[in-house]
Amino acid sequence: ETGVTQTPRHLVMGMTNKKSLKCEQHLGHNAMYWYKQSAKKPLELMFVYNFKEQTENNSVPSRFSPECPNSSHLFLHLHTLQPEDSALYLCASSQDKSGSVTFGSGTRLTVV
Amino acid sequence: AQTVTQSQPEMSVQEAETVTLSCTYDTSESDYYLFWYKQPPSRQMILVIRQEAYKQQNATENRFSVNFQKAAKSFSLKISDSQLGDAAMYFCAYRSGSGANSKLTFGKGITLSVRP
Repeated sequence: ETGVTQTPRHLVMGMTNKKSLKCEQHLGHNAMYWYKQSAKKPLELMFVYNFKEQTENNSVPSRFSPECPNSSHLFLHLHTLQPEDSALYLCASSQDKSGSVTFGSGTRLTVV
Repeated sequence: AQTVTQSQPEMSVQEAETVTLSCTYDTSESDYYLFWYKQPPSRQMILVIRQEAYKQQNATENRFSVNFQKAAKSFSLKISDSQLGDAAMYFCAYRSGSGANSKLTFGKGITLSVRP
């Protein structure tokens, strides 16, 4: 399989649940990203990882906890979320500053 | 901070006609990259075209071309011979040329519909 793969595609969770989103890239890229896409808002960058090291955290609430065990895998651990956290969460990867960023199909998250 | 502005929320085009989607950006950098991404209902964000700021020549990919005006900080996308499959949301994006792996900054997007 090639490209960026995200699982699950859809997730419904209660505010007291703990769940994780998974992202895997098969492109040999060294940077991975989490973006949040809400209705009628621009895509918001959440986290950036370069060579497994977090290089950017865009003031994301601590109820979102990223994990990057290696350059090919990225997780987003979720706990005690709020209904306003419902959105499409997109994972992406890139090789270097001049390259384009490749996206996964996203996880549609609904918090009830 | 860099910003990307897409002022038109929606546009419509007749099949086989040409449409232009507008985008402006603001930056103090001289080295950067610009992109147009397409997001169909499948949600996959697909790269349509990219432009390096240091290149004066406008990028072209088949029916897609850009009009890059660096001084005016404008980066519009022209779609020629529009097809039904072009219907999607289109996002303009900016990427800094500094740093090993810089983030993409997106505009709000524009919804393009194609009339048969």
